[in-house]
Amino acid sequence: DAKTTQPPSMDCAEGRAANLPCNHSTISGNEYVYWYRQIHSQGPQYIIHGLKNNETNEMASLIITEDRKSSTLILPHATLRDTAVYYCIVRVETDSNYQLIWGAGTKLIIKP
Amino acid sequence: GAVVSQHPSRVICKSGTSVKIECRSLDFQATTMFWYRQFPKQSLMLMATSNEGSKATYEQGVEKDKFLINHASLTLSTLTVTSAHPEDSSFYICSARGGFDEKLFFGSGTQLSVL
Repeated sequence: DAKTTQPPSMDCAEGRAANLPCNHSTISGNEYVYWYRQIHSQGPQYIIHGLKNNETNEMASLIITEDRKSSTLILPHATLRDTAVYYCIVRVETDSNYQLIWGAGTKLIIKP
Repeated sequence: GAVVSQHPSRVICKSGTSVKIECRSLDFQATTMFWYRQFPKQSLMLMATSNEGSKATYEQGVEKDKFLINHASLTLSTLTVTSAHPEDSSFYICSARGGFDEKLFFGSGTQLSVL
């Protein structure tokens, strides 16, 4: 079962910041939050991940609430090429490995 | 970043034939690879976890005799769909865990169409 819930779709104007929310209220203390995106008929692309602290890289910023029950992915200046399905994922540790538990994702549409 | 190559990108086959999909990690050693399938407008569903040199671990409901996985080296895993039927038509994606930060990197996917 997915451990995350996301809105099914969002629109954002080109050039504006896109803020994508994610709820993960049942997350455990050692489980990371990952974000990937998938453009139609392609493999998912890694964006960012975090555990407790906010993270930033060249693609995006990840804001995690203090109680870790939710997070927000921020694309600071959205472009048309950012149109994709964005997945907020919890990384679950298994015996000697880990799994990414995928939710339904948010379809983000960037409009000119 | 690390690159995972998946081949072929698209295959059309007749019902009853077998199809092999290759997944290679190009610039890192992948001790673990994952195979997913994805139906249109749905999320990724994990099929199996493949560890180099050992048998794959299949998710509940995935037939191991139908979806044969071989992870013979640290850079190659293959998924063979045996005796394919139209209901096996789907988008299959592999991912590899590795690199210095152990992130998951994904292949570009294989669209399988069984006639």
